[in-house]
Amino acid sequence: SAVISQKPSRDICQRGTSLTIQCQVDSQVTMMFWYRQQPGQSLTLIATANQGSEATYESGFVIDKFPISRPNLTFSTLTVSNMSPEDSSIYLCSVGLGLAVDTQYFGPGTRLTVL
Amino acid sequence: AQSVSQHNHHVILSEAASLELGCNYSYGGTVNLFWYVQYPGQHLQLLLKYFSGDPLVKGIKGFEAEFIKSKFSFNLRKPSVQWSDTAEYFCAVNRMNTGFQKLVFGTGTRLLVSP
Repeated sequence: SAVISQKPSRDICQRGTSLTIQCQVDSQVTMMFWYRQQPGQSLTLIATANQGSEATYESGFVIDKFPISRPNLTFSTLTVSNMSPEDSSIYLCSVGLGLAVDTQYFGPGTRLTVL
Repeated sequence: AQSVSQHNHHVILSEAASLELGCNYSYGGTVNLFWYVQYPGQHLQLLLKYFSGDPLVKGIKGFEAEFIKSKFSFNLRKPSVQWSDTAEYFCAVNRMNTGFQKLVFGTGTRLLVSP
């Protein structure tokens, strides 16, 4: 497995502002993922972030709203832009490990509340 | 579209009772199957996984799951639950033939074990 940390752990933000969430891993990983867990719901994949390439977004998520950076093999950021109350969620990063990068391990999450 | 169904949204058991949580998926190709657990106030942790071989897999904390290909199921079991098993349990599936390790999660099952 890997040790994954996220900053901030929680935040309360005003509508229309942006928040950047950081994800740090204690080892080099090729694939990192960003998920959203809305209140009372399951996890939904936002995008896959591979180092050295553009992030790949899932249906319903766009780069303008959720820009992602992946500057190296241990770090990634997700920005939630122009926030609205509907963006209130837990945002989680995960890393893919294993021979075929076939097992994901998750960070502690960032709990975001938008007022 | 690929989906993962967890039939029980809330389960309440007494300590020492047996547990079985259902999980069914809709994808017909080769899949990897996972159960994750989220204890109160903690982050998502891998409980067990199935890739190939023996369809009965054992995970941490006495949990096991059985893959039944003909039923597209991967049910989680524990013969005797403890109060500390109170948590939310997520089944997840990823497809193997796309080269893209996308995890699709079920809606989760909240387990409450009363002492």
